[in-house]
Order: sequence, then C-alpha cells, then structure tokens
Amino acid sequence: DSGVTQTPKHLITATGQRVTLRCSPRSGDLSVYWYQQSLDQGLQFLIQYYNGEERAKGNILERFSAQQFPDLHSELNLSSLELGDSALYFCASSVALAPTLPGYGYTFGSGTRLTVV
Amino acid sequence: SQQGEEDPQALSIQEGENATMNCSYKTSINNLQWYRQNSGRGLVHLILIRSNEREKHSGRLRVTLDTSKKSSSLLITASRAADTVSYFCATEVRGKLIFGQGTELSVKP
Repeated sequence: DSGVTQTPKHLITATGQRVTLRCSPRSGDLSVYWYQQSLDQGLQFLIQYYNGEERAKGNILERFSAQQFPDLHSELNLSSLELGDSALYFCASSVALAPTLPGYGYTFGSGTRLTVV
Repeated sequence: SQQGEEDPQALSIQEGENATMNCSYKTSINNLQWYRQNSGRGLVHLILIRSNEREKHSGRLRVTLDTSKKSSSLLITASRAADTVSYFCATEVRGKLIFGQGTELSVKP
C-alpha cells in the first residue's frame, strides 16, 4: 500500500456518460497530480493541485476537470466520455510543490481502470 | 511530445545478468527519476538523480546522468525474475513529471 488511495479501481461506463475518479493523497502530502496512461499515448500528465489550488496543467481535455478539496483529496471528473478515454488514470502525491528533495519522488496510487463501451 | 525517450523498448535477459536501459530527454531538467511499473499497476519510485549529480547507487541499481548529452542510464545488476516489469524515466520540468514510453524488461529464469 503506497498510501495514495484511488477509487474506484475499475469503472465501466457507456459513451456520453460522466464519471468521477477520487484520490486521497498520502498523509502529509499537499500536491496531487493526475496522469492518464493509455497504450497509444503512454503516461500523460493531466493536472496538478497544491493545497487546493491548480498549479500546472498538461494535456487535459476540456471535457475533463479536477479539483482538490480542503481535506486534500482530489477528484477528476470526466464527461461526455468517448471510447478513446479508456485508459488507466493515476493519481500521485508529493509533499512539496515540486518533488526535488533528494530521495523523494512521487507516490503513485494503483490507478483507476476506466473502460468506455 | 514525450520529454523522455527510452531505449530499448523491450529487453530480454537471463537471470543473473545485468540490464541496462537508456533514457534521453530534450530540455533542461532539475532532476531525473526512474520508476518501475507492474503490468497495469501503479508506478513505484526507484531513484532520483539531480542535475548536478553524475552517478547514484541504490542497492542493485546504478543510475548515471550526462546533462551534456541529455541522457541517463539505469543499470540493474544481478537481475532476478521479479525485476520483470516496465521501467520509466521521468524528468521534472516546472514541477511536472514527464515520462518516457518505458522499457519492458523480461528476466528469464
């Protein structure tokens, strides 16, 4: 158990639907990052939050949105789902704004596997 | 586009042999990190090397960094069957981790 909790582990939904993925960071970590992993795109950075504020944005579609709540858990909302959104969605957390401290990296959750049918 | 490009994409070796994976990147970095990932599972942080470091060791892992060539290598010595996972390099750019496409390592008993 990495300390980063993602729910649900698996999700199957139909095209056009909306889903919410949840992430609880490791205790004490203020930064939360969302990544999408698919066979054709690899691991893509989506978005980062630090202590409730959006800090960096990557290749996140307009149909996707995220937020970080006061208790530091984060949710990734995916709407108007398409077949191509089927992927593993990972959340990671780190203690700092940027994990540059020696020996520190990100701590990843085990992911949510989203299948859009 | 990916910041990190890994080579080879797949590597197959015998147990006990050493495995070397290479990573090239494009822009200036603060640090470079290596992760491993079991199939379809979360990534596990292995080692971080900062831009002012040239070599780092952790157990059976040895990482080198050549900032002039914008490249890094990960050496796993005395490989074991349990090392059969995918390995990713990741560079930190403005607080974001940008991952390469990964190397699939297969260690045959």
